[in-house]
Amino acid sequence: DTAVSQTPKYLVTQMGNDKSIKCEQNLGHDTMYWYKQDSKKFLKIMFSYNNKELIINETVPNRFSPKSPDKAHLNLHINSLELGDSAVYFCASSRAGTAYEQYFGPGTRLTVT
Amino acid sequence: KQEVTQIPAALSVPEGENLVLNCSFTDSAIYNLQWFRQDPGKGLTSLLLIQSSQREQTSGRLNASLDKSSGRSTLYIAASQPGDSATYLCAVPYGQNFVFGPGTRLSVLP
Repeated sequence: DTAVSQTPKYLVTQMGNDKSIKCEQNLGHDTMYWYKQDSKKFLKIMFSYNNKELIINETVPNRFSPKSPDKAHLNLHINSLELGDSAVYFCASSRAGTAYEQYFGPGTRLTVT
Repeated sequence: KQEVTQIPAALSVPEGENLVLNCSFTDSAIYNLQWFRQDPGKGLTSLLLIQSSQREQTSGRLNASLDKSSGRSTLYIAASQPGDSATYLCAVPYGQNFVFGPGTRLSVLP
């Protein structure tokens, strides 16, 4: 009965590779998010996706791209991985928009070597 | 631009104490504020969502208050237990996204 799930939990890869992280929510929510938590534990939003409308944090490099095959899924694709991409990535969801409670996935720890 | 800060950055208390965690935000035009806890190596768990029309929200031993005019929220934890040890984060909506505070790392000693 997991609400928001992510795969994989851990991802170790080399610089220059392309990787994807998957996220699924079974809460029937309309909005999904991707966050990055860096080594200092600071949590920053990367994307929000609501009813096919994508809101991008302007600081996110265009090597990062979210893809939503349907309302329950929002996957994160990362091209040409760099050392600085090492972090924990969290997926979250909520009912439509920011007026509602967010529910987070368990996170994916990405290590780029 | 919305900025969120949390004080203290870390707190260590003996079991049984009542404690207060603080969250401040610069743009008071918010319509809710959410408190989360994060255990080491885990995701965030929602604790309380307090709407701007509310002044307080309670869940068990937790009580959150919101004062929009002063840009502050407090999370009160009564009779703390070792199981409360975690990092506590607050978040406010900004535009169509959320802004998180840096968190308060709480240790409750047996």
